[in-house]
Amino acid sequence: SQTIHQWPATLVQPVGSPLSLECTVEGTSNPNLYWYRQAAGRGLQLLFYSVGIGQISSEVPQNLSASRPQDRQFILSSKKLLLSDSGFYLCAWSVMMTGKLNTEAFFGQGTRLTVV
Amino acid sequence: DAKTTQPPSMDCAEGRAANLPCNHSTISGNEYVYWYRQIHSQGPQYIIHGLKNNETNEMASLIITEDRKSSTLILPHATLRDTAVYYCIVRDYFGNEKLTFGTGTRLTIIP
Repeated sequence: SQTIHQWPATLVQPVGSPLSLECTVEGTSNPNLYWYRQAAGRGLQLLFYSVGIGQISSEVPQNLSASRPQDRQFILSSKKLLLSDSGFYLCAWSVMMTGKLNTEAFFGQGTRLTVV
Repeated sequence: DAKTTQPPSMDCAEGRAANLPCNHSTISGNEYVYWYRQIHSQGPQYIIHGLKNNETNEMASLIITEDRKSSTLILPHATLRDTAVYYCIVRDYFGNEKLTFGTGTRLTIIP
């Protein structure tokens, strides 16, 4: 069965420090991968999505970046965190079936980032 | 550009049916309607999806109007554990990988 791992679960980082959040998927090949952010009391904001290794689409201009070094690994990074980067970060995956039909997305348990 | 409109909040008594509406008046013929829910401090969970026929699974029923411009998610016997934010999404089922959420409906089940 497929599983998604996201870590760490919580993180407190000072302003100006770097960030690296990792997400890995097991039990599937060539998934679509997504990073979302949810500020306190707000909806889900799509940050990045990827349809393959090295293929990253950015949705919102910001000081964050994403990379996909392996098929089932998706990394969210920042060189210098801002206070506004605080939030709940979620990784998700879906697959494209034969005939380009997208399946539903499955989410990790999230990382709660507090920038202080 | 979530393409859906939902009421920001709703209450429902425990044991009663919860009916959550969603408007998607600009839906195209290639787009499915998906529903997810997010319980506090967890990742969203897939509930159900449909194209034009009504759908039912172990979690819920989805009723889509004939013109497909709106839909209703029905939780037949709501429990306290159904308290969550419910998201209605339209998604192209051919080749469009982007998955965009709106602000959803915060459903509170009242004991």
